[in-house]
Parts: sequence; structure tokens; C-alpha cells
Amino acid sequence: QKEVEQDPGPLSVPEGAIVSLNCTYSNSAFQYFMWYRQYSRKGPELLMYTYSSGNKEDGRFTAQVDKSSKYISLFIRDSQPSDSATYLCAMSANQAGTALIFGKGTTLSVSS
Amino acid sequence: GAVVSQHPSWVICKSGTSVKIECRSLDFQATTMFWYRQFPKQSLMLMATSNEGSKATYEQGVEKDKFLINHASLTLSTLTVTSAHPEDSSFYICSASGRAPYNEQFFGPGTRLTVL
Repeated sequence: QKEVEQDPGPLSVPEGAIVSLNCTYSNSAFQYFMWYRQYSRKGPELLMYTYSSGNKEDGRFTAQVDKSSKYISLFIRDSQPSDSATYLCAMSANQAGTALIFGKGTTLSVSS
Repeated sequence: GAVVSQHPSWVICKSGTSVKIECRSLDFQATTMFWYRQFPKQSLMLMATSNEGSKATYEQGVEKDKFLINHASLTLSTLTVTSAHPEDSSFYICSASGRAPYNEQFFGPGTRLTVL
């Protein structure tokens, strides 16, 4: 079993839809959880950063962490065509400035 | 703030040659830099971690004699792919982390390497 599992998709939704992206993990030592957005042939861009369990909201984006289930989610409300990208979850046992373990990424396409 | 640049953004080389990729933190001091490799439709795989002034720590399975990493200053790290072969063709991405408030990982735009 890989440390971090993420369904690669692709996921296609119409503009305005609510998108749910998920990752599961096996290492209970992970405490820092991040979501990155990556456009084609570009480096990842940090979207959300969460420590331990709980929810965090930033505009149209909500990140959830359930450490008991080893499951994290990213919700995108009112999705836009500009949200079309690959979304990568990443995790670390230490603070975000240390090595990250990435999921494979989910490719999202939002059609207008 | 927290901008990381990479140069070149794209390079094509012949098999057997060496290629150097630069990673720079433009507006903060990077005490730690990371090098990742990403194959098409795959995740980022950590290759090595380097702290300024120290030898890099390589992940299991990564040949340190093939992928030479130098982190000579707080704003620059280089990755040299020595005697490159077609199987080394990939997207190489660096990230940098510093002291608060820059203690997250900030990623560069990546370098696409094609070895013919």
C-alpha cells in the first residue's frame, strides 16, 4: 500500500458545481496536510495548509482532515473553468518546511 | 514574496552529456531546498533534501553520483544530471523553505529535461 492514495481521475464537472477531492493515507504520524494546484508544465502552487484534524476555509476552498479515518478532502464551491488543473495532496509528519509525501494528483476539468 | 525560480525552464541534451539546473529563492533565504522529479501523469517524487552548506540527503534509489546537488548559498541550489540518458527525461521541480514566515515549501516552476 502506498503511503498516500489519490484517485487520478480525470474528473469533469460543469461550471458552478461543487467539487470534492480526496486522499487517504496510511502513516498515522502525518500531522501536516496540504493541497497544491498544478497547471500543466508548471510547479505546484500551495492552496491550503492544515495542521492535524479539522476544517479550514479560504474563499471557495474548504479543506477537511479526519485523522481517525486517515482521510483528507478538498472542496471547491462554485467551480470555475480556471480551476481546471491537477490537484495534489501532500503530507508531512513534521512542519511544512520538511519533506512532503505527495499523492498522485487528481486532474479536474471544469467546463463552461 | 516567497518566489522560487528555476533555470532553465526547458532543456534538450544528447545522451551522455551533463545538465545543470539552478534553483533560486528570490526574496527569502532558503535554509533547505528540495529536489523532486515528476514523470507524466505521476506524482512528485522526492529525490533529495539539501541544507545550506551541508551535503544533500538522497532518497532511497536515487543515485547521488548521477544527480549531484549543491547548495552553496542561502539562495541557490543546483542539480546536475551527469551522463544523462533518455530515461532521465522528466520534469524536475525544486522547492525551498526558510525560517518563519517562510517555513513552508515554495515550489519553483520546474525544468523539463529531454535527453535524446
